[in-house]
Parts: sequence; C-alpha cells; structure tokens
Amino acid sequence: NAGVTQTPKFRILKIGQSMTLQCTQDMNHNYMYWYRQDPGMGLKLIYYSVGAGITDKGEVPNGYNVSRSTTEDFPLRLELAAPSQTSVYFCASSYPDRALSHFGNGTRLTVT
Amino acid sequence: KNEVEQSPQNLTAQEGEFITINCSYSVGISALHWLQQHPGGGIVSLFMLSSGKKKHGRLIATINIQEKHSSLHITASHPRDSAVYICAVRWQGGSEKLVFGKGTKLTVNP
Repeated sequence: NAGVTQTPKFRILKIGQSMTLQCTQDMNHNYMYWYRQDPGMGLKLIYYSVGAGITDKGEVPNGYNVSRSTTEDFPLRLELAAPSQTSVYFCASSYPDRALSHFGNGTRLTVT
Repeated sequence: KNEVEQSPQNLTAQEGEFITINCSYSVGISALHWLQQHPGGGIVSLFMLSSGKKKHGRLIATINIQEKHSSLHITASHPRDSAVYICAVRWQGGSEKLVFGKGTKLTVNP
C-alpha cells in the first residue's frame, strides 16, 4: 500500500495563479483532510470530507476549494494564489471510528 | 476559546535520558492524538487515546481526563527520536476535526 500520496512536493506560484494540490489514498478511508502548517504554528484544518460527495469547511477555508468525487481522491484547489497561502500543506485520511490518521508527505508552496 | 497547549516548546536531552512532553487542553475531548513530525517534514501518528495509558516500544502516552492533561514519555531516548512531537485533540460534540498544539521540538544529543 502506498498510503497517502500528495503531489507535487514543491511548487512556486506567482500571485494570482491557480493550482491544484493532489491527494490520493489507497486505504479505502472515508475521511480525508487538508491542513496547512505555518512556521511556529499548529496545523490548521482547511477542508475535510467524510465521504465521496461530502465536503465541509475547516478553520481556514478562505481562498481554497475542494471536491471529493471518489473515495480515493481529495484535491485542493487554489484559485487566486496570494502570499498568505505560502505554507506547507498536508493531506491526511482516516477511518470513521476516529482511529489514527495517515498523513501525506506534504507540499511546500511558495507564492511570490 | 478551545485551546491545546504544549510544553515545553523546545527540549534538548542527552542520549539515554527519560523525556516527558506535556499537553493540556481547555474543554472536554473525545480523543487525543500524539504525532511525530520528522526533520524532513513527514508526519506519523503515534497514539490515539481517550483514557488511561498506551505503550509502543519506548513511547508511553498517558491521559488524565479530569485534569485535561496528557503526557508523552520517551524512555532511553536516542538521537533518532529527535523530531517535533504534536498533540491534537478532537473536541466532544461529534466533530471530526482535530485541533493541534504548536508542537514540542525535541533534540537528543549523542
């Protein structure tokens, strides 16, 4: 099993550009999450999904969009990149019995 | 405001020492997680607990629900234990969201 796979690992965007961070998991987990991690701060939840076709906002959803058309995939879309979105992004997944979460390796995004 | 506080923020130890990292939270929880973030950035879940104590190898996690406090202990610490240790809680009320502490950076010197 590959676990949770995130792509790309690194990306530099110019202000106003758009991009999609990809996340896929092969563990048949219902729950998937997107977090961002800023220096010196705890992980913040951007969006989460409890199953295909269902998504919900987390603490910091502004500037992002998600979709969940399949159990495996949970892409995160940035439409108009801003410097405030410079961060490290982590995707995670878990079973609905609230067991341990599995994390991807992260995407380091810089917006200049 | 619902908060998760970790202490210490930074911890330096000598190889072989017993390590304790603390996590306090403000309101009732349904579960508490301990995670490890490697120097390369990857995050690994270590424990999820809602009561009592769990042990895995040299790692022990305990939780006191009444005192709203959890500790992560590392026995016989080793340089490879150097990492950021993160506490996260799931508040009571059925939410699936985790709220994270800022992490404790542990450095174990040989």
